[in-house]
Amino acid sequence: GQSLEQPSEVTAVEGAIVQINCTYQTSGFYGLSWYQQHDGGAPTFLSYNALDGLEETGRFSSFLSRSDSYGYLLLQELQMKDSASYFCAALSGYALNFGKGTSLLVTP
Amino acid sequence: GAGVSQSPSNKVTEKGKDVELRCDPISGHTALYWYRQSLGQGLEFLIYFQGNSAPDKSGLPSDRFSAERTGGSVSTLTIQRTQQEDSAVYLCASSVRQGDYEQYFGPGTRLTVT
Repeated sequence: GQSLEQPSEVTAVEGAIVQINCTYQTSGFYGLSWYQQHDGGAPTFLSYNALDGLEETGRFSSFLSRSDSYGYLLLQELQMKDSASYFCAALSGYALNFGKGTSLLVTP
Repeated sequence: GAGVSQSPSNKVTEKGKDVELRCDPISGHTALYWYRQSLGQGLEFLIYFQGNSAPDKSGLPSDRFSAERTGGSVSTLTIQRTQQEDSAVYLCASSVRQGDYEQYFGPGTRLTVT
């Protein structure tokens, strides 16, 4: 089967750094994507890792270790607008399998 | 260009009625996906299309759910004899081709079954 585990909630202070972890069990794994979803909004693509290592996109970075079936999303210089849900999603063949999401609350 | 659009944005229906949800993907995107998101939950994959074909329908929750895509563009998700547990947000996404890691999501249809 397919399963992805990530923390349900994370709270961090504005300006800080936060890491959201994701472990996965997926057959036919190609890579790990990350999506952001604000309340009432549509998920939007943030990042993708096909190979081991770190991918950096502005304030956001994503990491993958295929041998550990593990990845994380790193958000730096947190802003209030970063308060949202973050989903890891494993690409397996034709489709993305999403985790249940991590609700990030950024406080002043 | 325009993004993925879905209609209606909200739908309230009585238990036992049939509903049709529509998705208009980004022009030129050959792959189209349907997901369901219950309150505070992740995205549950329902079905995907490559062109007009749906190679895998195993994600559909029951035989009350069906979907079609015509002309390689617009898709319709139909739920027959709706039940209260069908209440959720139904999200549609498209990508340039199947297997793309970047999918573009529509705003969703919020379905409430009373």
